[in-house]
Amino acid sequence: AQTVTQSQPEMSVQEAETVTLSCTYDTSENNYYLFWYKQPPSRQMILVIRQEAYKQQNATENRFSVNFQKAAKSFSLKISDSQLGDTAMYFCAFMKPPSGSRLTFGEGTQLTVNP
Amino acid sequence: DSGVTQTPKHLITATGQRVTLRCSPRSGDLSVYWYQQSLDQGLQFLIQYYNGEERAKGNILERFSAQQFPDLHSELNLSSLELGDSALYFCASSFPHGSGETQYFGPGTRLLVL
Repeated sequence: AQTVTQSQPEMSVQEAETVTLSCTYDTSENNYYLFWYKQPPSRQMILVIRQEAYKQQNATENRFSVNFQKAAKSFSLKISDSQLGDTAMYFCAFMKPPSGSRLTFGEGTQLTVNP
Repeated sequence: DSGVTQTPKHLITATGQRVTLRCSPRSGDLSVYWYQQSLDQGLQFLIQYYNGEERAKGNILERFSAQQFPDLHSELNLSSLELGDSALYFCASSFPHGSGETQYFGPGTRLLVL
């Protein structure tokens, strides 16, 4: 079974600075997908970014980017120019195809952006 | 707004009771997933339906059941409720486009069992 580990239960960053959240996973699969979701105080689960394992290029969405190291089974999220609205719980998630497959989540990292 | 709707938003009930949680997927999405988020278990996959049929099962208790109707909305039924069933229940939906499709989550139903 796949496992996802987020070793940082809590992190904080000053507004406008950059922060990196860590995620490692364990799988014997070669083809899979990785996601970061954020859960703000409203508890809504919001997709931040997605990465296909077969793509070497790291995914980027505006201020959010990932560092995907397939051999090391590492998938970190970098948030640049942090904003107060980035304060949330961040979950790393793994999905193994075939089409329409469950997400396996890590324990989450609570990120606080300080003014 | 993800386009996935869930009702009710909050539910307070007593042990031993039965409740039904409802989910409407995004327009065009055929898959519906149910997840449970609790303090001790984290986010766990419960069950998936695709176009009306059960596709995958996770850590779903026998006291829990689900179905997806012809209009693609889904219901999660929780019976003989216990205190430990108190959690946030999410529904997510996706459109099949081959592999690894993104799941979009609803706002969740917060269940409190007293």
